[in-house]
Amino acid sequence: NAGVTQTPKFQVLKTGQSMTLQCAQDMNHNSMYWYRQDPGMGLRLIYYSASEGTTDKGEVPNGYNVSRLNKREFSLRLESAAPSQTSVYFCASSEATGPYGYTFGSGTRLTVV
Amino acid sequence: QKEVEQNSGPLSVPEGAIASLNCTYSDRGSQSFFWYRQYSGKSPELIMSIYSNGDKEDGRFTAQLNKASQYVSLLIRDSQPSDSATYLCALVYYGNNRLAFGKGNQVVVIP
Repeated sequence: NAGVTQTPKFQVLKTGQSMTLQCAQDMNHNSMYWYRQDPGMGLRLIYYSASEGTTDKGEVPNGYNVSRLNKREFSLRLESAAPSQTSVYFCASSEATGPYGYTFGSGTRLTVV
Repeated sequence: QKEVEQNSGPLSVPEGAIASLNCTYSDRGSQSFFWYRQYSGKSPELIMSIYSNGDKEDGRFTAQLNKASQYVSLLIRDSQPSDSATYLCALVYYGNNRLAFGKGNQVVVIP
């Protein structure tokens, strides 16, 4: 039972390059999330998808786009990477929005140079 | 205004002792509270959830919730070196059903 799978695990980008972080869950969860984690800042929500076909901005959406491809997959795209986007990115899923714990993927460590 | 505050610095406890972590929050409407454990270089892992005032015990972990005073705490009894990690407090915002996380508290258990 894989849970939440993120790819890639590590990535180095040059400023201005684009890339897509992939996330897939096999728990039949309705809701999916993208967070970034920076030292001293904690986990901050970038975008989330309450259910298939819907996406909404979180706390720090600037510079990112998302796609909820189907119920299983939720991708995060950086169109023009900036050094300020150097971070660890976590995808998470939950049964629904509300009083449910989240299951996190293993994370993507992104460095933008 | 920060919604979830975990103000304590790194906590060092001897093996076998009790580790106590505290978290305060500003949203009086919050109803659901969680504690996550995060090992260095790993992803957060849910270890406790609590929804009602009082204590909830699960093995060596006890979560305590006081909605009137707006705090939630986590006690780790008989601390083990494997408990050395960062512990994140989280709650669901009233009205938008999204989790907000505190910055976390590092716990170091000294053998």
